[in-house]
Amino acid sequence: SQTIHQWPATLVQPVGSPLSLECTVEGTSNPNLYWYRQAAGRGLQLLFYSVGIGQISSEVPQNLSASRPQDRQFILSSKKLLLSDSGFYLCAWKGGVGEAFFGQGTRLTVV
Amino acid sequence: AQSVTQLGSHVSVSEGALVLLRCNYSSSVPPYLFWYVQYPNQGLQLLLKYTSAATLVKGINGFEAEFKKSETSFHLTKPSAHMSDAAEYFCAVSDYTGNQFYFGTGTSLTVIP
Repeated sequence: SQTIHQWPATLVQPVGSPLSLECTVEGTSNPNLYWYRQAAGRGLQLLFYSVGIGQISSEVPQNLSASRPQDRQFILSSKKLLLSDSGFYLCAWKGGVGEAFFGQGTRLTVV
Repeated sequence: AQSVTQLGSHVSVSEGALVLLRCNYSSSVPPYLFWYVQYPNQGLQLLLKYTSAATLVKGINGFEAEFKKSETSFHLTKPSAHMSDAAEYFCAVSDYTGNQFYFGTGTSLTVIP
């Protein structure tokens, strides 16, 4: 069966520090991969999605970037974090037109 | 482009009462529609999905939703609320390619004992 791993679960970082969140999927190949951010009262905002290795679509201009170095690996990065980057980050994968499956999320607090 | 609108960011119901969470979609092509539930500090769990088969979709935990094309709606219902239903609920839409997947802003459901 397919599983999705996302880490770390919780992260506290100072303003201006770099960020790297990793997401890996097991048990499937060539999935669509997604990064979402959930801020209080704002629902789920699609940040990036990828339909294949090296293929990244950005939905919202921001301080973040994403990369997909391997088929089942999706990385969210920032060179310098801002206070506004705080939030709950969720990685997800889709195997086509069906539903998306989510990781357990990373709670990022920028201080 | 697709989008979904969830009316009511907070809904409160009494235990045993009907749950109705509203979702309207906007899509230029026939959409696929989903409802997810999120418990605090966790990822999202699929409740049910509509992928152009039966318009009345039954999901887990007694929830169901009806796709109404004329109203561009996909409202979530449950006949009798349980305390364990208290959570955040999200409606989502995807187009036929499945590449883009957008969520509504969510509805927080409170169940009053």
